[in-house]
Parts: sequence; C-alpha cells; structure tokens
Amino acid sequence: QAVVTQEPSLTVSPGGTVTLTCGSSTGTVTSGHYPYWFQQKPGQVPRALIYDTITKYPWTPARFSGSLLGDKAALTLSGAQPEDEADYYCLLYYSGPRVFGGGTRLTVL
Amino acid sequence: EVLLVESGGGLVQPGGSLRLSCEGSGFIFNTYWMSWVRQAPGKRLEWVAAMKQGGTEYYYADSVKGRFTIFRDNAKASLYLQMSDLRGEDTSIYYCASLSGIHDYWGQGTLVTVSA
Repeated sequence: QAVVTQEPSLTVSPGGTVTLTCGSSTGTVTSGHYPYWFQQKPGQVPRALIYDTITKYPWTPARFSGSLLGDKAALTLSGAQPEDEADYYCLLYYSGPRVFGGGTRLTVL
Repeated sequence: EVLLVESGGGLVQPGGSLRLSCEGSGFIFNTYWMSWVRQAPGKRLEWVAAMKQGGTEYYYADSVKGRFTIFRDNAKASLYLQMSDLRGEDTSIYYCASLSGIHDYWGQGTLVTVSA
C-alpha cells in the first residue's frame, strides 16, 4: 500500500501565504490520483476543501486553492485567517484503494 | 438534508467482533461509492474500506484486509463494516463517508474501543 506524505506541521502569519504538499511513495502525484484536501478542527468531523486536484466546494473560502506542484499535490492558503488553524489531510486514489496523508497541523501565528 | 448516521460502536475485547452500520438519508445512496474512514484518538485519518454503488467492487486498507468486510444494502440505504479479530490498534472513531467528488458527506462517527 502506498504511503502519502505531508509536512507534519507548518506555521503561517495572519495574512500570510503557505503551501501544504502531498507526496506519494509510488512517484509523481497526478490528476489521476484525484487529490482531495480536508480540513479538520478539534472535535469536528473532517470537511473537504478541494477535490480532483483543483475543484472547490461551495463552502471553500476563496483563499484556498489546489494544484499540482512538481511531483506533489499542493494546497495553498493565501491570506491566512486565525480560523484556518486546523489539521489538513490530503487523500489520494490508487485505482481503487484510497490513502490519506499523515496530516499537516497548520498554526496561524 | 443529507444525513449519515453510524451505529454499532462500543467496547470489545481483543480478538472479538463487531458490526458497524451507517444509514444514509437525504441523497440517492445507491448512486455513490461509500467508504469507512477511521481516526484513532489524537491521530490521523485512515481510510479503511470502500464499496462501489452495486457492491460488485470493493477495496480495503492493508491494515484491515482479511479481518474487516464492507457491504451494503441499497434498499435500506445502509453501509456496514463487519470487523473481526479486533486489535488494540483498531480503537478509533469510525466514520461513514461518501468521498465522492462534489458530494462530500460524513457521519458523526461511532467509537470502537478494543480493550480487555
């Protein structure tokens, strides 16, 4: 089973920009992995922010965007707000099985 | 309103079995792949299993393969997870989720605790 890697923790200043990445042990992450990004705040159920690499949900704030960056999927937050402090998980599809990344704890400080 | 309601969690001894259920409403259940996702206390999300709309295709995480069985009853808009040979590391909140593109539906989860 593939291993999906994310930065364990990142810190961003209020109003700043940060990029979270999502890599795969099998090689380059492509659109064929249909990358998802989820946000989870303490005590809450995860909520998806991005699917199919770049597509936002109606509830996704405009400051979040998804992309492919080099050999990884990426989630960029531009103009961080205090309420963006949370854990972020990517999810990749491997032609059937799905695998979550280890998660990135984002601190807005 | 879309709802996914899990049930069946509880305390079970190592080596024991448990069946989780997830009942969906407010959406056309039989048109979605459905998944089970778990999260140990304070730990990361872990995808567990997924089943196609008609039940003919399904996948498992290596950590549960051979011990867990996913199945569904579309007439009851329900997804199930039969868990056997349970281990301490299976202790988690188990979520039922759609993980289906624009249709991102999650239940509130049911806690499974494996302990003697």
